[in-house]
Amino acid sequence: SQKIEQNSEALNIQEGKTATLTCNYTNYSPAYLQWYRQDPGRGPVFLLLIRENEKEKRKERLKVTFDTTLKQSLFHITASQPADSATYLCAALSGGYNKLIFGAGTRLAVHP
Amino acid sequence: ETGVTQTPRHLVMGMTNKKSLKCEQHLGHNAMYWYKQSAKKPLELMFVYNFKEQTENNSVPSRFSPECPNSSHLFLHLHTLQPEDSALYLCASSQVRATNTGELFFGEGSRLTVL
Repeated sequence: SQKIEQNSEALNIQEGKTATLTCNYTNYSPAYLQWYRQDPGRGPVFLLLIRENEKEKRKERLKVTFDTTLKQSLFHITASQPADSATYLCAALSGGYNKLIFGAGTRLAVHP
Repeated sequence: ETGVTQTPRHLVMGMTNKKSLKCEQHLGHNAMYWYKQSAKKPLELMFVYNFKEQTENNSVPSRFSPECPNSSHLFLHLHTLQPEDSALYLCASSQVRATNTGELFFGEGSRLTVL
């Protein structure tokens, strides 16, 4: 079955460093991948989308890559801040029309 | 404020109760969704409505019954739930178009506890 996997449940880094989160997909080739941020007790918020024909996408301190050979997307936050602490979710369409499936998320903690 | 409002934010119910979750979107979108989020598990897609028509039912037990009276409102009717149904229920909306990118706008969720 089609799967989205985020290998790290949690990631702790020091303020100012670059955080790198990984998303892998198996058993299919999504046309695009999306990344969301979720704060405790809140709904996810859309951050970025990257299409399969785009190697890299940037938005302010965020950068997303899409490697169709490795079946992987990397999500980078440069110059990380404590305010970046949250759970980050990877998502992709799975077969059906508007059927978006999610990874379990990576909980990022940025320490001062 | 995401433009998607869910009520109630918290709900405690017994296994024999009947209750409903409500979702309203103010974004003019034409697709709405219910997701279930349990601790340490991925979001599980439950139902999808496009233009008020249900297009996806992801093998959800019949004790969960969705209703979409129009493109702006979505309900989830709950009846004889089990304790394992306790979770955060998230409503989302999106704008469906030919080049649909499918980004979802989520509400803040309804935290359900079944005793």
